[in-house]
Amino acid sequence: DVVMTQSPLSLPVTLGQPASISCRSSQSLVHSDGNTYLNWFQQRPGQSPRRLIYKVSNRDSGVPDRFSGSGSGTDFTLKISRVEAEDVGLYYCMQGTHWPWTFGQGTKVEIK
Amino acid sequence: EVQLVESGGGLVQPGGSLRLSCAASGFTFSSYWMSWVRQAPGKGLEWVANIKQDESEKYYVDSVKGRFTISRDNAKNSLYLQMNSLRAEDTAVYYCTISATARGGVDYWGQGTLVTVSS
Repeated sequence: DVVMTQSPLSLPVTLGQPASISCRSSQSLVHSDGNTYLNWFQQRPGQSPRRLIYKVSNRDSGVPDRFSGSGSGTDFTLKISRVEAEDVGLYYCMQGTHWPWTFGQGTKVEIK
Repeated sequence: EVQLVESGGGLVQPGGSLRLSCAASGFTFSSYWMSWVRQAPGKGLEWVANIKQDESEKYYVDSVKGRFTISRDNAKNSLYLQMNSLRAEDTAVYYCTISATARGGVDYWGQGTLVTVSS
């Protein structure tokens, strides 16, 4: 199975400051169709997951532009340019290239 | 408006069985692969199973293979997860979602249903 490793697992951030989460996969996430199915999900306390970014860098509709995704192959990053209070929660990278599809352990973003 | 509503969770003894349901509305259910994803209390997410539109293909994570069966009824716009030989480690909130969320398609999730396996 593809192992997704996130860091850090806990991220205290000052409001208005940037934040960055790293995600590394144990093998390349480039699919045979040429796409890289790397997604980022946000899970606020008590809520279902919500996708923020798909195929590495595409922002979902309604997602603030302070969220951005980048990377390739096995190394990926989610960045929040200026953290707001509503960004508190868990963030998961997830690969949909190789079955079984797998998530990272999650990164808890909290306000300092 | 797309809605996915899970039901059927509850408390079951180890070795027991439970059948989860997911009622879908607001989209053409029969056109989409569907999935179950679970989350143990205080833990991360685990993708459990996928099913193709016509049930001709099904995929399971190794930890549930041989014990869980995913199925669907397109006439009823419903997705199911039959869970047998349940173990304590199957305790989790089970979410219904459209598989396309993993590959850049639409992203919709249910609110989840809690399954607790305990004596």
